[in-house]
Amino acid sequence: ELKVEQNPLFLSMQEGKNYTIYCNYSTTSDRLYWYRQDPGKSLESLFVLLSNGAVKQEGRLMASLDTKARLSTLHITAAVHDLSATYFCAVDDNQGGKLIFGQGTELSVKP
Amino acid sequence: NAGVTQTPKFQVLKTGQSMTLQCAQDMNHEYMSWYRQDPGMGLRLIHYSVGAGITDQGEVPNGYNVSRSTTEDFPLRLLSAAPSQTSVYFCASSYSFTGLIETQYFGPGTRLLVL
Repeated sequence: ELKVEQNPLFLSMQEGKNYTIYCNYSTTSDRLYWYRQDPGKSLESLFVLLSNGAVKQEGRLMASLDTKARLSTLHITAAVHDLSATYFCAVDDNQGGKLIFGQGTELSVKP
Repeated sequence: NAGVTQTPKFQVLKTGQSMTLQCAQDMNHEYMSWYRQDPGMGLRLIHYSVGAGITDQGEVPNGYNVSRSTTEDFPLRLLSAAPSQTSVYFCASSYSFTGLIETQYFGPGTRLLVL
């Protein structure tokens, strides 16, 4: 059974600092997804990582995937307040349609 | 292009009542899914569909039914509501290429309270 774990679950950062959110998963998977959710809102897709070694960047966020280690990272560079949100990773369990989500990382960026 | 729409936005039910949460998408996506979101537990997959006429169970299917008679619509039925089904429900859709899911687009959510 696929399990997905994120850490940390809560992260308080200062503006301008760098940090990394980790997403570990327990069984082989071909792709991994990152989403953002603002309080009281729906989810927005950030990245779809398709293969080992995949790296994608959008603004201050960069995501990478190591399928051998079953690990994805979401790196935040020079955080700004607008990045405050909850970030979820999700993993395809290779059974033709099941996405399993991590618990989410609640990020708060303070001036 | 409305994307993924869900109705109602908010619903209060009494224990034992039944209801249907509606989900529709206008992007011709093959894949559609339903999740519930509870505090501290992320999103959990209830049911999903890889095309019209095809549905399957997710992580937490008990107490819910789905059907997919058209590509556009994927309703979620609560058979006999229980307080444990109080949650926020999200519907999502995406293209599915060779069985692998592409970028998922989420609806705005339905907040359900069961008394």
